[in-house]
Amino acid sequence: KAGVTQTPRYLIKTRGQQVTLSCSPISGHRSVSWYQQTPGQGLQFLFEYFSETQRNKGNFPGRFSGRQFSNSRSEMNVSTLELGDSALYLCASSQVGGETQYFGPGTRLLVL
Amino acid sequence: AQSVTQLDSHVSVSEGTPVLLRCNYSSSYSPSLFWYVQHPNKGLQLLLKYTSAATLVKGINGFEAEFKKSETSFHLTKPSAHMSDAAEYFCVVSDVGSSNTGKLIFGQGTTLQVKP
Repeated sequence: KAGVTQTPRYLIKTRGQQVTLSCSPISGHRSVSWYQQTPGQGLQFLFEYFSETQRNKGNFPGRFSGRQFSNSRSEMNVSTLELGDSALYLCASSQVGGETQYFGPGTRLLVL
Repeated sequence: AQSVTQLDSHVSVSEGTPVLLRCNYSSSYSPSLFWYVQHPNKGLQLLLKYTSAATLVKGINGFEAEFKKSETSFHLTKPSAHMSDAAEYFCVVSDVGSSNTGKLIFGQGTTLQVKP
């Protein structure tokens, strides 16, 4: 099976812009979780989607949002970008959520 | 609340010597615990997972971990380090509870350096 794929792999944006990241889960997986990785805060949970519904959300401002499509692909959006949003954004998929998650290669976002 | 603490931020070993990466966890439930590895500029790869079937868990690339409930520990070991093992390692607990699906809680990571 193909693994989790994320696009794009690298992004450079400026403050105030918005960005959309995409994640395609492993075939058959219905849960997608998103994480932010920074040197200072480590890996932090953003949110989880299952069957097109957000089931769980981490402690991030409303500028961070996401959605999931009927084919389980997921997108996350960050509006009004801040310098502190520079990070590696990882998505992970699992069959129904809560158990073993498999990660994609990540999207590295740089905000200037 | 569940949490994990990785006791060493950096571990340095010589090639061919044993590796020990230490992790303690805190959980009100019977936890699901994982070790993931991240090589530079890469995503996270699952090394192994504990889900209460056996306390000694074998993973990929010769790694194993032992779940010790009395010590609330889940240390990762490998008998002989290889240069390719140099990476960042994360001890992870799966958050449980009806509202916490799909959420993994990560330790701060341990950087493993392997010297020739």
